[in-house]
Amino acid sequence: QQQVKQSPQSLIVQKGGISIINCAYENTAFDYFPWYQQFPGKGPALLIAIRPDVSEKKEGRFTISFNKSAKQFSLHIMDSQPGDSATYFCAASTTRGDDKIIFGKGTRLHILP
Amino acid sequence: DAGVTQSPTHLIKTRGQHVTLRCSPISGHKSVSWYQQVLGQGPQFIFQYYEKEERGRGNFPDRFSARQFPNYSSELNVNALLLGDSALYLCASSFTMGGYTFGSGTRLTVV
Repeated sequence: QQQVKQSPQSLIVQKGGISIINCAYENTAFDYFPWYQQFPGKGPALLIAIRPDVSEKKEGRFTISFNKSAKQFSLHIMDSQPGDSATYFCAASTTRGDDKIIFGKGTRLHILP
Repeated sequence: DAGVTQSPTHLIKTRGQHVTLRCSPISGHKSVSWYQQVLGQGPQFIFQYYEKEERGRGNFPDRFSARQFPNYSSELNVNALLLGDSALYLCASSFTMGGYTFGSGTRLTVV
């Protein structure tokens, strides 16, 4: 049972373009939605996170859009740069209980120079 | 500031053997979680410990066990290794529940 579905599996974007990654979740008990960035040979690093009481959160070039009724959220990377080339994971968790993070399958993003 | 440190970084084991992976959390962090990341997939939750008590366990067989020590460091043990246990094992720590910082992981290869 995949509780967090992520698309696309891979994405190629021109330098300066907008990268968009989408996720959908099933469990309405989730109350914390982080995005992680992972480079080869490294662990995932928290990029940006949102709680369901807000519809959008922006940090620099990274924006999360959140649609609670549709149970969907997305990551937008503005002015994409070659250094953004990495694997991105959306995730969800409940901050009550065992606090486990449920990850999507990941999106391999490649920014063309 | 030291991040989450894991040892060893790489490990090769034979089927049927036992392995112990170690994790040192960020100083002051009391919560430690373990995740398994198979190549090409997202990490999957194995265990969570807070203040030395097990707070959560993922859908993994009893061959997997863990513990947290008084200094909040942690060990993940896997018995009777299978080829399918080959993966990147990630440790993450947090001051309290949530906001986890991940280490770079231990790459385990079972042959």
